[in-house]
Amino acid sequence: KNEVEQSPQNLTAQEGEFITINCSYSVGISALHWLQQHPGGGIVSLFMLSSGKKKHGRLIATINIQEKHSSLHITASHPRDSAVYICAVVVGGADGLTFGKGTHLIIQP
Amino acid sequence: DAGITQSPRHKVTETGTPVTLRCHQTENHRYMYWYRQDPGHGLRLIHYSYGVKDTDKGEVSDGYSVSRSKTEDFLLTLESATSSQTSVYFCAITSGTGPLHFGNGTRLTVT
Repeated sequence: KNEVEQSPQNLTAQEGEFITINCSYSVGISALHWLQQHPGGGIVSLFMLSSGKKKHGRLIATINIQEKHSSLHITASHPRDSAVYICAVVVGGADGLTFGKGTHLIIQP
Repeated sequence: DAGITQSPRHKVTETGTPVTLRCHQTENHRYMYWYRQDPGHGLRLIHYSYGVKDTDKGEVSDGYSVSRSKTEDFLLTLESATSSQTSVYFCAITSGTGPLHFGNGTRLTVT
């Protein structure tokens, strides 16, 4: 069974800080998703990665397939970035999505 | 935004009653999923569909059934609701090669 571990589970930082959230998984995957969920809100897809690096605004996602590891970075963090960030991996097959338990991020002004 | 809607958004029901949640998409995506989200457990797969009338069980399927009679609709039914099924339910869709799109969720309370 594929295990997905996220770290840290909780993170509180000051506005403007550089944020890194990590995701490790135990078996080979075909793709990895980073998702964002605001308190009481829906879930939004931030990135889908199968290799390398992607950037969207202040968000950067990287993946190292050999090391089975991905990171989500937030530059110049802002209180509106406060949310739960969830990593999900695709092993293969229609049911092959396994989710991490999420990283709860709070950015204080 | 991807066209995916869930209904109802909130529901309170009594133990033992049947409940049906609806997921509707306008993206013509092949894959549709039902998840439940509970504190400490993250998102867990209940059932999924890979085409019309093609469905299969997920990790926590006991007590749930699904149907997909057309591409755009994926129904989740609790035949006889129990308090352990109190949760937030999310539907998600994907083409299989693109990103996941989630509905806004249904908050179900079983009293």
